[in-house]
Amino acid sequence: DGGITQSPKYLFRKEGQNVTLSCEQNLNHDAMYWYRQDPGQGLRLIYYSQIVNDFQKGDIAEGYSVSREKKESFPLTVTSAQKNPTAFYLCASSIRGGEQFFGPGTRLTVL
Amino acid sequence: AQRVTQPEKLLSVFKGAPVELKCNYSYSGSPELFWYVQYSRQRLQLLLRHISRESIKGFTADLNKGETSFHLKKPFAQEEDSAMYYCALGDDNTDKLIFGTGTRLQVFP
Repeated sequence: DGGITQSPKYLFRKEGQNVTLSCEQNLNHDAMYWYRQDPGQGLRLIYYSQIVNDFQKGDIAEGYSVSREKKESFPLTVTSAQKNPTAFYLCASSIRGGEQFFGPGTRLTVL
Repeated sequence: AQRVTQPEKLLSVFKGAPVELKCNYSYSGSPELFWYVQYSRQRLQLLLRHISRESIKGFTADLNKGETSFHLKKPFAQEEDSAMYYCALGDDNTDKLIFGTGTRLQVFP
């Protein structure tokens, strides 16, 4: 199950802390995506990047930030401004116009 | 507005029964539609996409532009089909996917 990896698998955060979720891919994909998965709400797009050094907001970007300094990496920071950060976070990557491949996910819990 | 609707949260059937998971979409352009599946303790993965017109694991889905639907069907369900199924709509300008809320399929022995 290589290709796209996420770390850590579980993450606990105290109120008011920023945390960064890692996403790495060795598939040589140009595009990368971050989704949030909540029960009963499906997957909602947080941010996406179609090329290095460029990214766009998705539907629920408030309280999150990203960077895309390398093709292989697309880290997501959950800031203290995110009101309800407890969720399952999925990263994905794809070639332009192609199938999205998903990572195993990170479960974030705010204590 | 672009939207994907999966009206059923849960669909329960017995092994060998036909299955139809419903998906309706709203999109002004030429839609590209997908079904993704998430088995227990596994990653979300592509099941099929409408442009390939394939049958994967016995599942098929036909795009009906008149009814704006992309229902997923299988004539005889198997226990191993139990999973969470998501319908998704592709935006051909940005490669974004818009997901439905998902339908959990339970196949009983």
